[in-house]
Amino acid sequence: AQKVTQAQTEISVVEKEDVTLDCVYETRDTTYYLFWYKQPPSGELVFLIRRNSFDEQNEISGRYSWNFQKSTSSFNFTITASQVVDSAVYFCALSEVTAYSGAGSYQLTFGKGTKLSVIP
Amino acid sequence: NAGVTQTPKFQVLKTGQSMTLQCAQDMNHNSMYWYRQDPGMGLRLIYYSASEGTTDKGEVPNGYNVSRLNKREFSLRLESAAPSQTSVYFCASSRSGGEGQPQHFGDGTRLSIL
Repeated sequence: AQKVTQAQTEISVVEKEDVTLDCVYETRDTTYYLFWYKQPPSGELVFLIRRNSFDEQNEISGRYSWNFQKSTSSFNFTITASQVVDSAVYFCALSEVTAYSGAGSYQLTFGKGTKLSVIP
Repeated sequence: NAGVTQTPKFQVLKTGQSMTLQCAQDMNHNSMYWYRQDPGMGLRLIYYSASEGTTDKGEVPNGYNVSRLNKREFSLRLESAAPSQTSVYFCASSRSGGEGQPQHFGDGTRLSIL
């Protein structure tokens, strides 16, 4: 079973529309971390946000907002008033304490990504 | 502001050839990682190095070897390349000791094996 599920493979929206990217995760740990990364067409991976399992506060950064709900094991990402520059593949990732190697390294498990196309 | 630097950016190999992908970071991070990205598969961990002098297998280590040359550099070697290893390879690094530290990625190496 996937640990990180991004059910939306591709989404298309018209510029200025709001869009929500879904992420559902699975873990038995009580302490874990969730991340979102952006991969624009140029190919690099850009870190957007990290959230730990004890902090369920929603976060807003400009047009971006994140909704973390432990009850539904979801960490959804909303872009308000989308722009063409938001076109990218977005990855959700999970880091579990049980994946800790004991030598100072937490492994990330990535979802398969959601490709967002914003049409002008 | 180099961050994580990967070389080369593109490479074409023939089946059976060997190749080393280079990665260097200038953020004084302790942990480094190699991933491969295939269409529809997300990123999968090949190997990682929690700290200088240690390396461990990830999800898909077969056909690869790694060397943590020093704190800055972590290389990935394909001893006998196979078409199934055609992929985009990403190196990443993170600060260890802190929990849930984000990983910072290089720009990737696009590798094609004919």
